[in-house]
Amino acid sequence: QQPVQSPQAVILREGEDAVINCSSSKALYSVHWYRQKHGEAPVFLMILLKGGEQKGHEKISASFNEKKQQSSLYLTASQLSYSGTYFCGTDTGGGNKLTFGTGTQLKVEL
Amino acid sequence: DAGVIQSPRHEVTEMGQEVTLRCKPISGHNSLFWYRQTMMRGLELLIYFNNNVPIDDSGMPEDRFSAKMPNASFSTLKIQPSEPRDSAVYFCASRSGHYGYTFGSGTRLTVV
Repeated sequence: QQPVQSPQAVILREGEDAVINCSSSKALYSVHWYRQKHGEAPVFLMILLKGGEQKGHEKISASFNEKKQQSSLYLTASQLSYSGTYFCGTDTGGGNKLTFGTGTQLKVEL
Repeated sequence: DAGVIQSPRHEVTEMGQEVTLRCKPISGHNSLFWYRQTMMRGLELLIYFNNNVPIDDSGMPEDRFSAKMPNASFSTLKIQPSEPRDSAVYFCASRSGHYGYTFGSGTRLTVV
């Protein structure tokens, strides 16, 4: 079953912060996050493994709450280049297969 | 590394025709995935292979779709006969171990 992302869309001014949530109805082994720009392929951002810690870089990070079967992506001090559609991908079987979420469209404006 | 290579980039075909999409994964990646993306259904997994062996094809819509991976460096997705509802962007992705997926640029298929 497809994980649910929220919000569906968000518009930010450059420098603002955003949080994107991903919720699964099944227990999670891992969560991936990807960004897709219009007309391009999804690009891998990060993976969070069961039992692992919060990961990320200085301005893009993510958390994984195994009990709540949720993950959140944090975008800090957004830049124009952050614009795109963000997808979470969930592994609920401990294997290789990812089910991708509904997507969150993020637009950063000046 | 050239990344995951897909061909063709665009394909326009008439209903009833056979369509073959091609994918070359990254060398050394042992898993290969075929996804389809549409506005209505998002990114859907069609089939995936581990070490050239099909593991899960439960996402293949119907018998009109078939996929092969004859060796570690090549995979095909075939639709025969094609229908207008097959119009979508088809992505191939590969993966090594527990790292993230690397997607190809996709094939935009239009069936008229």
